[in-house]
Amino acid sequence: QVHLQESGPGLVKPSGTLSLTCAVSGDSLTSTNWWSWVRQPPGKGLEYIGEIYHIGSTHYNPSLISRLTISMDKSRNHFSLELTSVTAADTAVYFCARGGTGSYFLDFWGQGTLVTVSS
Amino acid sequence: EIVLTQSPATLSLSPGERATLSCRASQSVRSYLAWYQQKPGQAPRLLIYDASKRATGIPARFSGSGSETDFTLTISSLEPEDFAVYHCQHRSHWPWTFGQGTKVEIK
Repeated sequence: QVHLQESGPGLVKPSGTLSLTCAVSGDSLTSTNWWSWVRQPPGKGLEYIGEIYHIGSTHYNPSLISRLTISMDKSRNHFSLELTSVTAADTAVYFCARGGTGSYFLDFWGQGTLVTVSS
Repeated sequence: EIVLTQSPATLSLSPGERATLSCRASQSVRSYLAWYQQKPGQAPRLLIYDASKRATGIPARFSGSGSETDFTLTISSLEPEDFAVYHCQHRSHWPWTFGQGTKVEIK
């Protein structure tokens, strides 16, 4: 069974950097899947942040591209999200997920981690 | 960016009733559409992918149909555990986007 687990600070100061890691077990980052980040502001809908493929190709949401980096560490089987210059609008539950079913839809998800941007 | 519009925003039904949820795309997404179920405090769960294929372990009462710009998720007979929020998502042209969600609540 594939399992994903997000980790990182739950509180980030405005203008700071949000950094999260997603540890993957039950699958390898070298497999032909996309590894994704999705977020959900409190009480709102889902937003696709970006994703990384096993060969290192990335897709970044155009609204975040100037602040966003997604990377992977195959030796540790985890991938990461870094979002700079955060504001209160970046407060959300952040999910990592695997895009692996059919046309790479999100078939396994982490439980999500709430990140609050506040001083 | 492709906009997905879900309707209705809220669907009030009783257990045993049929639920019909709509997702309309601002331009064609061919069949690259999925449906997810999300319960409070949980991550979404993949129900339907490629418009009409049930994901692993999903009961047969869930079915998806449609193509291009108009899609439907049908729950043939609502079970108590089906009351949740349902999201559609496309994977046709980057950026992939989600609809705003339909809440299926107990009447």
